[in-house]
Amino acid sequence: DAGVIQSPRHEVTEMGQEVTLRCKPISGHNSLFWYRQTMMRGLELLIYFNNNVPIDDSGMPEDRFSAKMPNASFSTLKIQPSEPRDSAVYFCASSLSAQQHFGDGTRLSIL
Amino acid sequence: GQQLNQSPQSMFIQEGEDVSMNCTSSSIFNTWLWYKQDPGEGPVLLIALYKAGELTSNGRLTAQFGITRKDSFLNISASIPSDVGIYFCAGHGSSNTGKLIFGQGTTLQVKP
Repeated sequence: DAGVIQSPRHEVTEMGQEVTLRCKPISGHNSLFWYRQTMMRGLELLIYFNNNVPIDDSGMPEDRFSAKMPNASFSTLKIQPSEPRDSAVYFCASSLSAQQHFGDGTRLSIL
Repeated sequence: GQQLNQSPQSMFIQEGEDVSMNCTSSSIFNTWLWYKQDPGEGPVLLIALYKAGELTSNGRLTAQFGITRKDSFLNISASIPSDVGIYFCAGHGSSNTGKLIFGQGTTLQVKP
């Protein structure tokens, strides 16, 4: 069975550029979560969707971050403009119950 | 808001030793989950607990849902080098929002 698929696995870009991270959840799951992981702050929930509708975006750092889920099989997290402090590993997870299943993440480096 | 305190923060043990880590919360949780994260990968679910007092095993791993519903522990018996990684507890509260609250993680190192 395919798990949660994230792309790209690695992204290196210059400050000010737009960054788009992509996620394909597990088929049949109705909730999707975006997390950010850093050494300093650990695993932080940014936003989550239920049935493609954003439910809680209180973890989104600021207006530079946006997320969409146009259909049940695809979601994007966009950062525009990017800043060096956005460097982190970004994870997508999906679930049908309390059990969330994670992708392998996108390691983002903003120079 | 709800918070989880996970301890210890890190452990360095000898291969073959048993390991124990725990999480405590200031509020009640309805579900406890334990994840393991290997370097360069996402967290992988190890064990899920749904009832107070529940004790569940997965191979050498055993986890329990505390009777007060405010704590959980994970034990690893006879550790091996591939147990190295970061272990996270996570709780699902009574708000039914779908959100998980994660502990800070326990970094485990095993010396062969």
